[in-house]
Amino acid sequence: EAGVAQSPRYKIIEKRQSVAFWCNPISGHATLYWYQQILGQGPKLLIQFQNNGVVDDSQLPKDRFSAERLKGVDSTLKIQPAKLEDSAVYLCASSLVMSSYNEQFFGPGTRLTVL
Amino acid sequence: SQQGEEDPQALSIQEGENATMNCSYKTSINNLQWYRQNSGRGLVHLILIRSNEREKHSGRLRVTLDTSKKSSSLLITASRAADTASYFCAPISSGSARQLTFGSGTQLTVLP
Repeated sequence: EAGVAQSPRYKIIEKRQSVAFWCNPISGHATLYWYQQILGQGPKLLIQFQNNGVVDDSQLPKDRFSAERLKGVDSTLKIQPAKLEDSAVYLCASSLVMSSYNEQFFGPGTRLTVL
Repeated sequence: SQQGEEDPQALSIQEGENATMNCSYKTSINNLQWYRQNSGRGLVHLILIRSNEREKHSGRLRVTLDTSKKSSSLLITASRAADTASYFCAPISSGSARQLTFGSGTQLTVLP
């Protein structure tokens, strides 16, 4: 089966600019996650969707970050305006259902550099 | 959700040797998962061990779980250069929203 797809793979922007990332989860996976991974750290959950509804966005900086999952399939994560500290890898993951026993499947990530 | 703390932060071994990394957590769990991340890639699920299990094997991987000590260990036997990666544990708390919370991981380097 095809894995989780993300684009772009790399993005370089100036601070205060906007940027958007796209994620296509594994077909049939109901749960989708966006993580932020700063260099040298583990991934930090930003937002979790179940189908097209938000389950948890408590760690999403809502003043500048937004995410949507229209039709419960693809998802986009946007940053507007970007700050220097947003430089990180943004990982998308999906799982079949929202269960304690379900493994998450990760995409390759988008590496964002904010200058 | 709770975060696992991996130890050591970095580990360097020769090819063919065994590698052991540890994970500690704070509150009771439903299960614990281990993930691997190769440089520049996403995470890959390695193994899940349930709270009522003490040991689990998958190929060259052996995971143990000691719920009384709130700790887990991941053993990679006969390591290969391709095992060079960061390894993360994710303890899943009972009743949590099934989220994974990662520590900083163990960076394993296997030297040829």
